[in-house]
Amino acid sequence: AQSVTQLDSQVPVFEEAPVELRCNYSSSVSVYLFWYVQYPNQGLQLLLKYLSGSTLVKGINGFEAEFNKSQTSFHLRKPSVHISDTAEYFCAVSDQESEETSGSRLTFGEGTQLTVNP
Amino acid sequence: DAGVTQSPTHLIKTRGQQVTLRCSPKSGHDTVSWYQQALGQGPQFIFQYYEEEERQRGNFPDRFSGHQFPNYSSELNVNALLLGDSALYLCASRVTGGPRETQYFGPGTRLLVL
Repeated sequence: AQSVTQLDSQVPVFEEAPVELRCNYSSSVSVYLFWYVQYPNQGLQLLLKYLSGSTLVKGINGFEAEFNKSQTSFHLRKPSVHISDTAEYFCAVSDQESEETSGSRLTFGEGTQLTVNP
Repeated sequence: DAGVTQSPTHLIKTRGQQVTLRCSPKSGHDTVSWYQQALGQGPQFIFQYYEEEERQRGNFPDRFSGHQFPNYSSELNVNALLLGDSALYLCASRVTGGPRETQYFGPGTRLLVL
């Protein structure tokens, strides 16, 4: 079984400031890692994912995340945020073996509300 | 391409009633998953359907059941509703083929049980 901990439930920042949303995971097996964004009254949209290879992953809207296996972390970063980045962000993992044999099953963290103020 | 669509958008039921939620996957997608997102929490996996069969199931009671039709659309049924079933129910679809295939989420159905 896997678990995901998002270390901050709310992150307020000013426009054009950098931001880091922290995510740690626990798993006894190898995992794939994801970040999703949820705008009010909408479903989840994939920002980026780590499957293999380079530990620095670039996603949409200028976001990037770094996979750190030794620290079991997958923190999300953006160098300069906009008002439009205000949303709920979710970190998620899936079991690599299950993905290959029986399909995707995501385990999500509880979310981080990013609020960008002018 | 309409993406993943869900109906209805909102629903109010009373305890003990039964509810059916519907999902149409993105065009070309054959795998549908359902998630429950309680207020202030992350989504929790309910089950996944592929080739009209339940392929994986999360830690949800048998009151939660589903179905996938030949056109890949899906239904989520919940019997004997409890107050704790109030949540946003999300449907996600994907092409079977591993994690390199992106999973797309619908806007959800918000269920309120009174």
